[in-house]
Amino acid sequence: GQNIDQPTEMTATEGAIVQINCTYQTSGFNGLFWYQQHAGEAPTFLSYNVLDGLEEKGRFSSFLSRSKGYSYLLLKELQMKDSASYLCAVMDSNYQLIWGAGTKLIIKP
Amino acid sequence: NAGVTQTPKFRILKIGQSMTLQCTQDMNHNYMYWYRQDPGMGLKLIYYSVGAGITDKGEVPNGYNVSRSTTEDFPLRLELAAPSQTSVYFCASSYEGSSGNTIYFGEGSWLTVV
Repeated sequence: GQNIDQPTEMTATEGAIVQINCTYQTSGFNGLFWYQQHAGEAPTFLSYNVLDGLEEKGRFSSFLSRSKGYSYLLLKELQMKDSASYLCAVMDSNYQLIWGAGTKLIIKP
Repeated sequence: NAGVTQTPKFRILKIGQSMTLQCTQDMNHNYMYWYRQDPGMGLKLIYYSVGAGITDKGEVPNGYNVSRSTTEDFPLRLELAAPSQTSVYFCASSYEGSSGNTIYFGEGSWLTVV
């Protein structure tokens, strides 16, 4: 079956760096997405990786290793507004998105 | 820009009632999706559409129906509501389903079946 694994919850301190990991097993691979979802709101797009390596976008970076079925989202200079759930999703060979359950990130002052 | 608009935002249904969740997008996207999200769970695809007149089942279609008569609209129908359908429902759209195309979500509809 298809499976996306990510930690349920993480805690970090304001101003620090946090890395959220995602491992996947899917039928084929057509890219990996990271979305941010604040409580009671819709997911919003953060990043997309289809080739191995690091994609940097401001304070957020996303890394992909296709051979290891592994990605991480790196958040730098954490702010209180970064408290949210972070969803990892993989597009399979049928171009269907398979979603992880999300990682709830708690930022403490 | 309105983006993806879905209504209602909140609804309480009694067991056995029926209702329609409305979804419309103004981005001229071909692909539209309906997801449900249960607490602590990932998004589950209910139905999707690749264009007007075409719909396909997703991972959890039982108890739901959809139609796509226009590019803009993709309503989700719940027939004979059951407590298991208590969830948050998200409508979404993308320009096409191929890799790299961002999916845009509506604000969600919180549905409780009692």
